[in-house]
Amino acid sequence: GAGVSQSPRYKVAKRGQDVALRCDPISGHVSLFWYQQALGQGPEFLTYFQNEAQLDKSGLPSDRFFAERPEGSVSTLKIQRTQQEDSAVYLCASSLEQGAGMGPKTQYFGPGTRLLVL
Amino acid sequence: AQSVTQPDIHITVSEGASLELRCNYSYGATPYLFWYVQSPGQGLQLLLKYFSGDTLVQGIKGFEAEFKRSQSSFNLRKPSVHWSDAAEYFCAVGQTGANNLFFGTGTRLTVIP
Repeated sequence: GAGVSQSPRYKVAKRGQDVALRCDPISGHVSLFWYQQALGQGPEFLTYFQNEAQLDKSGLPSDRFFAERPEGSVSTLKIQRTQQEDSAVYLCASSLEQGAGMGPKTQYFGPGTRLLVL
Repeated sequence: AQSVTQPDIHITVSEGASLELRCNYSYGATPYLFWYVQSPGQGLQLLLKYFSGDTLVQGIKGFEAEFKRSQSSFNLRKPSVHWSDAAEYFCAVGQTGANNLFFGTGTRLTVIP
């Protein structure tokens, strides 16, 4: 596609509810990233995929957060038993393959999903 | 550990005036540096990046940035600001072998007619 797309754009959840956020990366982009952006802050890294393999999940804040990319294209970020502190914009980015021992490739970001937990 | 500091939370400039947004980073080796812009309700758009070579890099929309190793800085500049430049600007740093980028907290730019 022309760019990274994310859905839904907005999500309101009641505390304790499970949510699933979807990301469609740019076609041909091997690497996919999820970031969390709290209000007034910069994006913070959550997790990284290369194809279907989740190579880094060091940024996931708790075991309530789970991400998958089963076929190496679309990715889903799932948050179980949402809490108010989960309210944020969740950004997805994709890039060409991140080569081992090389610098980061340019990441292209989607519009984000704004999650509000009441 | 890597970190990025954007010391100015909010900057206001008049349309047509010059602009400089500051970014300082903390990283031992040569960093990979990026500037992104975020308009309200939009994702991050890449303005420019520095990987190596010429320390003055040109980007889109008339922006440029200069990498100064001695000052650990990568300031963003534009000679004449347009009203459409009003947005949030983020500086980010990456490193060899790492997967993610570290972002600053952003600088919000307001443009006065």
